[in-house]
Amino acid sequence: KNQVEQSPQSLIILEGKNCTLQCNYTVSPFSNLRWYKQDTGRGPVSLTIMTFSENTKSNGRYTATLDADTKQSSLHITASQLSDSASYICVVRPYSGGGADGLTFGKGTHLIIQP
Amino acid sequence: NAGVTQTPKFRILKIGQSMTLQCTQDMNHNYMYWYRQDPGMGLKLIYYSVGAGITDKGEVPNGYNVSRSTTEDFPLRLELAAPSQTSVYFCASSYSQGAMSNQPQHFGDGTRLSIL
Repeated sequence: KNQVEQSPQSLIILEGKNCTLQCNYTVSPFSNLRWYKQDTGRGPVSLTIMTFSENTKSNGRYTATLDADTKQSSLHITASQLSDSASYICVVRPYSGGGADGLTFGKGTHLIIQP
Repeated sequence: NAGVTQTPKFRILKIGQSMTLQCTQDMNHNYMYWYRQDPGMGLKLIYYSVGAGITDKGEVPNGYNVSRSTTEDFPLRLELAAPSQTSVYFCASSYSQGAMSNQPQHFGDGTRLSIL
């Protein structure tokens, strides 16, 4: 069964500090890996999408890395801001030859930025 | 920039009641989806649609029904509400979701549903 495991479950850091969130997956072969940000009471918003051939992708202060050999991805947040407080969800899409039902969602990392 | 709009935002139902969760998108996306998000769990796919008139079951379809008469609208129907259906429901849309698609999904802000 395809699985996506995220760690830590929750994280508290001070404003201005950096942090790294982890995602391990068992989906194989896979098409792409996505990171979403979900603010409290809102729907997820896409941060990055990486194909199996990409190693890194940035979106402002967010940088995602991917190691397809070890089936690991990380999301690095630089110079954190209060607005970064949210849940971060890792999503993996298998290479299924078609179909829209293959996305596997992680449970998310709940990040709290303290002033 | 409306994107994906869901109504209502909150609802409390009694066991056995029925209701329809509304979802509409203004991005002309072919693909639309319904997910449920339970506390501490990843999103689970209920139903999806690849275009008007075409729907298919996801991972957890029991107790739900959908229809897709237009590109814009994708309502989710609960016929006999049960406590196990207490959850947050998210509608999403995307341009495509083929095997190599890198198109992101755009989510609405959810409907918080409690069955008592």
